[in-house]
Amino acid sequence: GAVVSQHPSRVICKSGTSVKIECRSLDFQATTMFWYRQFPKKSLMLMATSNEGSKATYEQGVEKDKFLINHASLTLSTLTVTSAHPEDSSFYICSATQNRGGAYNEQFFGPGTRLTVL
Amino acid sequence: GENVEQHPSTLSVQEGDSAVIKCTYSDSASNYFPWYKQELGKGPQLIIDIRSNVGEKKDQRIAVTLNKTAKHFSLHITETQPEDSAVYFCASTGFQKLVFGTGTRLLVSP
Repeated sequence: GAVVSQHPSRVICKSGTSVKIECRSLDFQATTMFWYRQFPKKSLMLMATSNEGSKATYEQGVEKDKFLINHASLTLSTLTVTSAHPEDSSFYICSATQNRGGAYNEQFFGPGTRLTVL
Repeated sequence: GENVEQHPSTLSVQEGDSAVIKCTYSDSASNYFPWYKQELGKGPQLIIDIRSNVGEKKDQRIAVTLNKTAKHFSLHITETQPEDSAVYFCASTGFQKLVFGTGTRLLVSP
């Protein structure tokens, strides 16, 4: 159980185009989803937190107009990188959690999406 | 906000040896400390976690210890195998948001 998928796994796009990445919880309803960014040989950095049906909360320094996040259902969140540039090339990872009360609910991570902007 | 430091950045061991990775955190309110294994090109996988009301937890060859007073926690892998080679991340959280350490690249040589 607790499987999270991402699509696509890899994407190459031209500079100036927009790219959408999907994150799905396959066997549970995700009340909260998180989007991370990871540069080569670096750690995971949280970009934003999204709760189903509400606007995402972005971390400091993350442009909300650049990285559009939609969490329209309890099993799907999307990240759209708008007007992508080479510096947006990175490994994007989502995670999902089910609110069961308590101080912390385990995050289940997706396999990641490798974005390359030419 | 929370800051998590992790050492060493790289660790090379011989198969069968033990490996220890250490992390320190800054926020005394943090109460959950997971460890993740990330293989090349994949997302992180939870391997073990510990909560603040426990000092040690073990799962077969993997163990984690927590010292809340000193605000540090460690991952111990015994009888290492080549398939343990990966990048390991510690993390901490006080409320939902995970803060990750900088990662340790573990190489287990046959």
